[in-house]
Amino acid sequence: GAGVSQSPSNKVTEKGKDVELRCDPISGHTALYWYRQSLGQGLEFLIYFQGNSAPDKSGLPSDRFSAERTGGSVSTLTIQRTQQEDSAVYLCASSLARCRTEAFFGQGTRLTVV
Amino acid sequence: DAKTTQPTSMDCAEGRAANLPCNHSTISGNEYVYWYRQIHSQGPQYIIHGLKNNETNEMASLIITEDRKSSTLILPHATLRDTAVYYCIRCNAGGTSYGKLTFGQGTILTVHP
Repeated sequence: GAGVSQSPSNKVTEKGKDVELRCDPISGHTALYWYRQSLGQGLEFLIYFQGNSAPDKSGLPSDRFSAERTGGSVSTLTIQRTQQEDSAVYLCASSLARCRTEAFFGQGTRLTVV
Repeated sequence: DAKTTQPTSMDCAEGRAANLPCNHSTISGNEYVYWYRQIHSQGPQYIIHGLKNNETNEMASLIITEDRKSSTLILPHATLRDTAVYYCIRCNAGGTSYGKLTFGQGTILTVHP
């Protein structure tokens, strides 16, 4: 694809439900990042995948959050038992070579927990 | 500590150069400096990055001090469409945090007519 694709673009869910957010990175990009951005705030790092290495999960806010990356390509961010404070835009990015080339961002998934 | 320090907000007149400073006094020798910007409700957009030397592309110039403790992003002729939040980021090209991008709060740049 031409860029990083995220789906759905918008998601409204009831408190307590589980949600899955999908990220399709640019083909061949080995690094994949997930961020969260609450209204009017900066980007909060969640998790980072690099090739076959163990992911850096240091930004996941609780054990309700998990992410996987299958076959070094598509990634899914799962939020279990959603809470209202999980409402935010979830952004995914990918890059070809860590630090030496830029990361490209998707347009994000806007999650609203009601 | 991958922290950078930026002013919260800045103003610039249309057509003038916008100079956005960033302090990264604890930067290590293998950390790149990256700049991104985010226009309202869009994903962040890459602008420029550098390691030691000054860099220029079609969007901007990046001036890195000799001791690498600070840098300045220069938009040579700001337009109204350059109004955005500008993020200065360190990217560690080695070690346990290799490749991790940590965003701060950024600078809100407002370009006015």
